[in-house]
Amino acid sequence: NAGVMQNPRHLVRRRGQEARLRCSPMKGHSHVYWYRQLPEEGLKFMVYLQKENIIDESGMPKERFSAEFPKEGPSILRIQQVVRGDSAAYFCASSPSGLAGQETQYFGPGTRLLVL
Amino acid sequence: QKEVEQDPGPLSVPEGAIVSLNCTYSNSAFQYFMWYRQYSRKGPELLMYTYSSGNKEDGRFTAQVDKSSKYISLFIRDSQPSDSATYLCAMSETGGFKTIFGAGTRLFVKA
Repeated sequence: NAGVMQNPRHLVRRRGQEARLRCSPMKGHSHVYWYRQLPEEGLKFMVYLQKENIIDESGMPKERFSAEFPKEGPSILRIQQVVRGDSAAYFCASSPSGLAGQETQYFGPGTRLLVL
Repeated sequence: QKEVEQDPGPLSVPEGAIVSLNCTYSNSAFQYFMWYRQYSRKGPELLMYTYSSGNKEDGRFTAQVDKSSKYISLFIRDSQPSDSATYLCAMSETGGFKTIFGAGTRLFVKA
């Protein structure tokens, strides 16, 4: 049973370009969470999605960032017109249901974004 | 003030030592408390999970929650070099979607 998969593992972009980060949840999981981790900081919640629905995006910047989890295919975190401050590790986690604290979230290996 | 405070360390101990890692929090609505371990360049993995106050033991690991003091701890007995990692505390409210993480404590166990 494959774990949470993220790709790419490393992504380099120049300022102003777009970054697309993909997350395939564990088999049987229909709930996905995205987190951002800056150096020497903990994980910061960004968005929580179910299939075809954004449930909570309160942690996501209002501009340039968007997320989706289509009926088919992986969840996508999209960052438009990247800036150097977007450089971070982005982690995806999945769970069987949406009760964040009441069940285990399984994390992927992360995508490390570097903006030049 | 952050919702969850955690000393980033680093904490360096000799092999075999007892390690104590701690977090404080401000939100009294938190009911679920977790400890994650994160190795360098990897994703976090769940170590311990506790609901409300009390202790929980799993092998060399013991998690404690004191809700009256808004304070949680993770103890590692007989620490091993393989325990060297960053330890993140995390917590959430009943019915909540968000998990709030501490900044993580970097632990080094020297052989």
